[in-house]
Formats: sequence, C-alpha cells, structure tokens
Amino acid sequence: VMTQSPDILSVSPGERATLSCRASQNVFTNLAWYQQKPGQAPRLLIYGASTRASTIPARFSGSGSGTEFTLTISSLQSEDFALYYCLQYNNWPPWTFGQGTKVEIK
Amino acid sequence: EVQVVESGGGLVQPGGSLRLSCVTSGFAFNTYSMNWVRQAPGKGLEWIAFISSSSPTVYYADSVNGRFTISRDNVKNSVYLQMNSLRAEDTAVYYCVRISGRVLDYWGQGTRVAVSS
Repeated sequence: VMTQSPDILSVSPGERATLSCRASQNVFTNLAWYQQKPGQAPRLLIYGASTRASTIPARFSGSGSGTEFTLTISSLQSEDFALYYCLQYNNWPPWTFGQGTKVEIK
Repeated sequence: EVQVVESGGGLVQPGGSLRLSCVTSGFAFNTYSMNWVRQAPGKGLEWIAFISSSSPTVYYADSVNGRFTISRDNVKNSVYLQMNSLRAEDTAVYYCVRISGRVLDYWGQGTRVAVSS
C-alpha cells in the first residue's frame, strides 16, 4: 500500500512544495512520481526515486529509499498546480499508486 | 516521437462488452511490455492489466480478473483490452501505458467507458 500526504497542499507561487509518499514495505528505489492535470493523462516526472524523466524541469526533485519518499518542487510555477501520484514498481503485479496529492494555489 | 492512442470507449449497459484498442508508434513495440490503467471519475489511478512483449505473460488486477482479457498484435503495434460482464464500477477513463524497465513511462490520452442502463 502506498500512502501519500498531505491529500491537499496549498502553496503560493514561487514557494517550495514538499510531497510525501510512504510504502507499506520496502520498495528500495523503485518509485516513480507522476503529474496529472485536469482532463489530461498522467505524465512521468521522476523514476528510480530521484531521476528526472526527459524534459522535466530541474525544479522537480525526488528523494528517498525503502519506505519513505519525497517529491520537492523548489519554486512553484503556475503550471505546477496539479495532482501528483507516486507509484511503486518493485513488487508487481500489481503496480500500486498512492491516492494522490493535490497541489493548489494558496 | 512516442505515441500511444486509445480508442473504443463508449456507453455500455451493465453486463455488456466492449473492446478497447491502443495503437502505438515511435518505438519498437515488440520489445516493450504494456499496461492498462484506469481512473474512475474523481478517483485515483488503478492498474488493471499487463502484457509482456512476446510469448505473452499476462497479469490482471483482482477487480477485473476473469472478466477482462489483454492481448497484443506486434505486427499492428497494438494492444487490446476485451472487457466482458461490465459493471457500473468499471466506469472510468482507460489508459494504455508503455512499460520501460518496469516504469510506466508513456501514457495515451485515455478513452472513456461508461457502464449504465
């Protein structure tokens, strides 16, 4: 089971956002982060817990291993307000997603 | 450029069937495993089916096992999801997703399925 916190994060543009994801068992660094905007498909941001996918801006960073993971957006831009999901791919099937964190404008 | 395009969604009555298709381009399809992931209205993401690249191994989520069948055609660069005995709780957007090294990397835009009488 993947548990994300908080469910909703209210942040002002330009501020830092820190999102958490906890796994119920060790997934090593087999953890990915996705961004989803309304009406759009999820987009891969981070894989291997800390590797940015191609074209992802450097303001997105991931960290953690084992059961505790963090996605940090260093300075929120207007286009970053969205839903964010973590996904473990260590123990599959099934691939299991967190329930999501909504980053909204404060 | 990698492209993943789903089709085949629509409105179907409970107990009915539907076949989703996913056409891909821009990569060597026959070397990649593929997944279907769905998202119910206002809800999170749920993995439902996996198919390996060749001599296919398939896996299903418990929620669809025995009702859904995933298949692929490596000549047509396509993957399919046959959905039978549909229920209201199957109402969702269905995404076709490429797997690269176990990571779900490229997602299609999704196709909507509504199960209602």
